[in-house]
Amino acid sequence: GAVVSQHPSRVICKSGTSVKIECRSLDFQATTMFWYRQFPKQSLMLMATSNEGSKATYEQGVEKDKFLINHASLTLSTLTVTSAHPEDSSFYICSASDRRPVQETQYFGPGTRLLVL
Amino acid sequence: RKEVEQDPGPFNVPEGATVAFNCTYSNSASQSFFWYRQDCRKEPKLLMSVYSSGNEDGRFTAQLNRASQYISLLIRDSKLSDSATYLCVVNVYGQNFVFGPGTRLSVLP
Repeated sequence: GAVVSQHPSRVICKSGTSVKIECRSLDFQATTMFWYRQFPKQSLMLMATSNEGSKATYEQGVEKDKFLINHASLTLSTLTVTSAHPEDSSFYICSASDRRPVQETQYFGPGTRLLVL
Repeated sequence: RKEVEQDPGPFNVPEGATVAFNCTYSNSASQSFFWYRQDCRKEPKLLMSVYSSGNEDGRFTAQLNRASQYISLLIRDSKLSDSATYLCVVNVYGQNFVFGPGTRLSVLP
């Protein structure tokens, strides 16, 4: 199956730091990428959807100025957590789809664990 | 009401047991349905899509009842390696995937 990578896999930072997470589709062109967040013992919650070359669509309750998403190419999307605080500590997972509109196939990256001290 | 609801779990079953997971969804326009499994501290992995006529993949059987907006997953002859959280996922055509809260399964030796 298709491969999606995320970098870094784990990050620990001080409060107030900005953290950038990269999501890459390695062997296909991702027209759509999704960013999810998962807190312990909870399910994945969609944060935003990004289509290559256009602005991301954020879910209700997700601050677009805090979680900056850039999808500048068909193989790369980045999520920047600006001025991270301890409550932002979570498991961030991206997924990518090569079909627009999104149908069956989305491929998940391995996730990034963020710990904000 | 949540968009996708699942059995709260956890399910603790002995090896070889048959276990069934239930899922309901609220959006009648939903068109695609999936079961994912997620191992601890890992990303979700697609287990199987769910088709209207029901489908089977080895020990796994998925059923869909559109009238009742209900999806099920049956695991027969459960193995230790089946221990994971099972996520019911629903997609409205052209929109986003909605994940259920998941049901955790522990298969015990």
